[in-house]
Amino acid sequence: NAGVTQTPKFRILKIGQSMTLQCTQDMNHNYMYWYRQDPGMGLKLIYYSVGAGITDKGEVPNGYNVSRSTTEDFPLRLELAAPSQTSVYFCASSTQGGRTGNTIYFGEGSWLTVV
Amino acid sequence: AQKVTQAQTEISVVEKEDVTLDCVYETRDTTYYLFWYKQPPSGELVFLIRRNSFDEQNEISGRYSWNFQKSTSSFNFTITASQVVDSAVYFCAHGDSGGSNYKLTFGKGTLLTVNP
Repeated sequence: NAGVTQTPKFRILKIGQSMTLQCTQDMNHNYMYWYRQDPGMGLKLIYYSVGAGITDKGEVPNGYNVSRSTTEDFPLRLELAAPSQTSVYFCASSTQGGRTGNTIYFGEGSWLTVV
Repeated sequence: AQKVTQAQTEISVVEKEDVTLDCVYETRDTTYYLFWYKQPPSGELVFLIRRNSFDEQNEISGRYSWNFQKSTSSFNFTITASQVVDSAVYFCAHGDSGGSNYKLTFGKGTLLTVNP
């Protein structure tokens, strides 16, 4: 059971570089999410998607971009990396939102350091 | 907007002690969902439980139990006879109820350390 798979697990970026965090899920989930976790701050939502071709901003979207061309994939793009983007990034997915309240399942996280 | 408060930043207990992790939430939704996740030192997020707002029955799963009280907007988590393997950060989260979007709002987490 692959579930939600994120790559890379660890990455060091220089200030101003760009990179893409990959996320794929094999559960045929409609909803996908990107969260970041800063020390002592819990998780904050960056972007989310309710289906292929549809994305929306979360709480902290600045400095990031996403796309959702397929149901399975939801890459997160960092343009012009800044030290403030040093964090742990979690991709997640769920079957359906709204009244069903389905559980959100998380990937294992990607540790990103910007120096 | 939803808000989840975990007032306990860190808790330290000795093995076999019982420990309760507090979670208080704020919401305008009449229907919503509450979750607990565990984050062990390895970093992944492990789903523990989901509770619907219209179901106030408490739940027990082995050494874990959850006390949902809508009247006080609390969803507390108790570990009975704690073990060293329970050491982790525990997150409480609130799920939006409906519409075209659905996302979780997390508390800041409680670091539980269980000492042998």
